Amino acid sequence: AQSVSQHNHHVILSEAASLELGCNYSYGGTVNLFWYVQYPGQHLQLLLKYFSGDPLVKGIKGFEAEFIKSKFSFNLRKPSVQWSDTAEYFCAVTSRDTDKLIFGTGTRLQVFP
Amino acid sequence: GAGVSQSPRYKVAKRGQDVALRCDPISGHVSLFWYQQALGQGPEFLTYFQNEAQLDKSGLPSDRFFAERPEGSVSTLKIQRTQQEDSAVYLCASSSKIKTGTYEQYFGPGTRLTVT
Repeated sequence: AQSVSQHNHHVILSEAASLELGCNYSYGGTVNLFWYVQYPGQHLQLLLKYFSGDPLVKGIKGFEAEFIKSKFSFNLRKPSVQWSDTAEYFCAVTSRDTDKLIFGTGTRLQVFP
Repeated sequence: GAGVSQSPRYKVAKRGQDVALRCDPISGHVSLFWYQQALGQGPEFLTYFQNEAQLDKSGLPSDRFFAERPEGSVSTLKIQRTQQEDSAVYLCASSSKIKTGTYEQYFGPGTRLTVT
């Protein structure tokens, strides 16, 4: 069965620090990968997605993620975080033979001014 | 509408009561999903509709859970004889495309169910 692991449960950073959130998935076939964000009091929103092609994907608000097939990883990065990036971040995966999203447990990011 | 809407936003039920949670997807979206999000966890898949057809209900935790989408638009998730372990946020998502696995799901705000 597919599964997604997010190793960082809670990350605390100061503004302007760099961010990297880990995501590993377990599935032997072709996958589609997503990062969703949930700001306080808001619903889940898509940050970025990878289906095929260039493994370095750029999303909204300066976020990017790199798909490394050999490591089954899709880590999220941002060079310089802002206070407004405080949120919960979820990595998720689908495969070519299922429509359902499989989510990780999420990473809570707190950014202090 | 502008996005996926869900009602009610909050529901408190006494153990043993039946509840019905409603989802209004984005107009024209053929695919509709239900997820359950327990406190401190990521969302977990419950069921999936394409138009009015329920194509996957493998995530429904028990036969107390039932979902329908009779006209291919609004969907209702019904939980019979609620138990404390049903307490969670129930998320609905919709999507416009049919090609398996390669589209964005748009999420609603969720219904927070508390069973006392």
